[in-house]
Amino acid sequence: QVQLVQSGAEVKKPGSSVKVSCKTSGGTFSNCAISWVRQAPGQGLEWMGEIIPDFGASNYAQKFQGRVSITTDESTRTAFMELSSLRSEDTAVYYCAREYVGGDRNYYYYYGLDVWGQGTTVYVSS
Amino acid sequence: SYVLTQPPSVSVAPGETARITCGGENIGSKSVNWYQQNPGQAPVLVIYYDSDRPSGIPERFSGSNSGNTATLSINRVEAGDEGDYYCQVWDRSSNYTKLFGGGTKLTVL
Repeated sequence: QVQLVQSGAEVKKPGSSVKVSCKTSGGTFSNCAISWVRQAPGQGLEWMGEIIPDFGASNYAQKFQGRVSITTDESTRTAFMELSSLRSEDTAVYYCAREYVGGDRNYYYYYGLDVWGQGTTVYVSS
Repeated sequence: SYVLTQPPSVSVAPGETARITCGGENIGSKSVNWYQQNPGQAPVLVIYYDSDRPSGIPERFSGSNSGNTATLSINRVEAGDEGDYYCQVWDRSSNYTKLFGGGTKLTVL
């Protein structure tokens, strides 16, 4: 049974950066994309971006372009999401989620975010 | 930019059928996934590819997608089905970006 285990809660100052990790337990990144989704208090889900290691591809929501970086360390089967220039509106629970991917690097398709991490609370305040 | 519109809330009596809609321009041409989320928990995938159910999801959950509306149907609703439901699409023409609807709170009366 694949599990995604995320790093612990963070408290950050405005203008700083945060890096959240997501370790795969019981599986690999093969044929998968790892997405990051956040949820502000009392709000809905917001997709930030993803990485597809097999295709060497990263896709980001326009809203976060230039401010977010998603990477993987395949030796430790860990994905990372770094968000910079933090502001109070970035206070949220951040989730990583796995999704099987079909096709090839030029034309691919997804099978739904079927395994989620437990979430990491990031609190931004001066 | 593309927008997914869900009703904020849906209420249904136990044993009845709940239908949660997700509206978007020509959403029928896209693949729609649905997630259930309970308070304080991570979302759970309940429908992918418009109408397929992941392993472990009851047959009471079904999905359809045509024209400008995708629909999640839950037959014989139970108290445990309460929660927030989100639709989600991905768009190859926009560099494979994903988008969630605003969410619908399902209340079992």
